[in-house]
Amino acid sequence: SQTIHQWPATLVQPVGSPLSLECTVEGTSNPNLYWYRQAAGRGLQLLFYSVGIGQISSEVPQNLSASRPQDRQFILSSKKLLLSDSGFYLCAWSVRAGVIRGEEQFFGPGTRLTVL
Amino acid sequence: AQSVAQPEDQVNVAEGNPLTVKCTYSVSGNPYLFWYVQYPNRGLQFLLKYITGDNLVKGSYGFEAEFNKSQTSFHLKKPSALVSDSALYFCASRSRLSASKIIFGSGTRLSIRP
Repeated sequence: SQTIHQWPATLVQPVGSPLSLECTVEGTSNPNLYWYRQAAGRGLQLLFYSVGIGQISSEVPQNLSASRPQDRQFILSSKKLLLSDSGFYLCAWSVRAGVIRGEEQFFGPGTRLTVL
Repeated sequence: AQSVAQPEDQVNVAEGNPLTVKCTYSVSGNPYLFWYVQYPNRGLQFLLKYITGDNLVKGSYGFEAEFNKSQTSFHLKKPSALVSDSALYFCASRSRLSASKIIFGSGTRLSIRP
């Protein structure tokens, strides 16, 4: 069966410090991968998605970046964190879209980031 | 622009009563539609989806949803609510015309009182 891991589970960082959040998927190949941010326990904001190694699409301008160095690894980074970067970060995967594109997404447990 | 609307921030229901969480969409073509549930400090869990065929879709934990094309709605329902159903619920949609992105609604907090 497929599983998705995120670490760390919680993180407290000072403003201006770097960030690296990691997401890995097991039990599947060639997944689509996604990073979301959830502020105040409500709506999801899609940050990045990737359809393959080295292929990253950015949804919103920000000081965050994403990389996909391996097929099942997705990393969210920042060189200098802002207070507004605080939130709950969720990684998700889905089967690579084929003829039928009704594939649901499967979410990781999330990382709670607090920037002080 | 494509969008998904969940008009109620919060829904309160007594245990044992039926529940409905509303969702409407504005997506090009016939969309794929999804419901997810999120418990506190956890990731989202997939509940059910509509792709094609029967308008009534059954999912996990006794939930079901009805696709209504004329009203562009996909309301989530359960005949008898449980206290353990209390959580945050998200409706989502993906156009059949686009590649990889799912659009999420803003979420509805469901509270079931004993």
